[in-house]
Amino acid sequence: EIVLTQSPATLSLSPGERATLSCRASQSVSNYLAWYQQKPGQAPRLLIYDAFNRATGIPVRFSGSGSGTDFTLTISSLEPEDFAVYYCQQRSNWPVTFGPGTKVDIK
Amino acid sequence: EVQVVESGGGLVKPGGSLRLSCSASGLTFRNIWMTWVRQAPGQGLECVGHIKSEADGGTTDYTAPVKGRFTIFRDDSQNMVYLHMGSLKIEDTAMYYCARGTGRGPLYHFDYWGQGTVVTVSP
Repeated sequence: EIVLTQSPATLSLSPGERATLSCRASQSVSNYLAWYQQKPGQAPRLLIYDAFNRATGIPVRFSGSGSGTDFTLTISSLEPEDFAVYYCQQRSNWPVTFGPGTKVDIK
Repeated sequence: EVQVVESGGGLVKPGGSLRLSCSASGLTFRNIWMTWVRQAPGQGLECVGHIKSEADGGTTDYTAPVKGRFTIFRDDSQNMVYLHMGSLKIEDTAMYYCARGTGRGPLYHFDYWGQGTVVTVSP
């Protein structure tokens, strides 16, 4: 099973600041990595798929990069609605697996 | 508009069984892979399993903790997918989400999600 590690566990930032979230895979997943946002009481929402493709309706301030084992989700300028938990997910091997999440909270 | 709606959650005793239902509209249901993802209280996400479209063989696969206990099946005539959960354990307590699995190449990411249904396993 491919294990995904996310860092940091918590990121405390202010609105308008840049957020950089990391996801590392225990073995190469090529570019088969997605990012999700989850707010309390809501289902996850797909943000980025295949490392860098924005899902439908996702604002351009969200961007993804990386390949192989190291990936980054960047939020260029945090909006109030961006404070949430972010998960990465690989689809290279079964079982598909998720990282433990990074919580982005308000400083 | 795509809508995914789960139902059937509830309270069940250890060793019991439960069947969750999921309807999906706004999609060509027979062509899509459907999945179940769960989230234990305060925890992260775990893909329980999937069922492929009939065109792709209609087969299923499951994560190890539920293999042999859970079964996913679909009724394309009703745009429904089901998760039958047997021999339930306390650790199966979670919010269960139904989601479409999509993507070119291996396996999938999840683009359309329901709001989830809660399963509580307790004596």
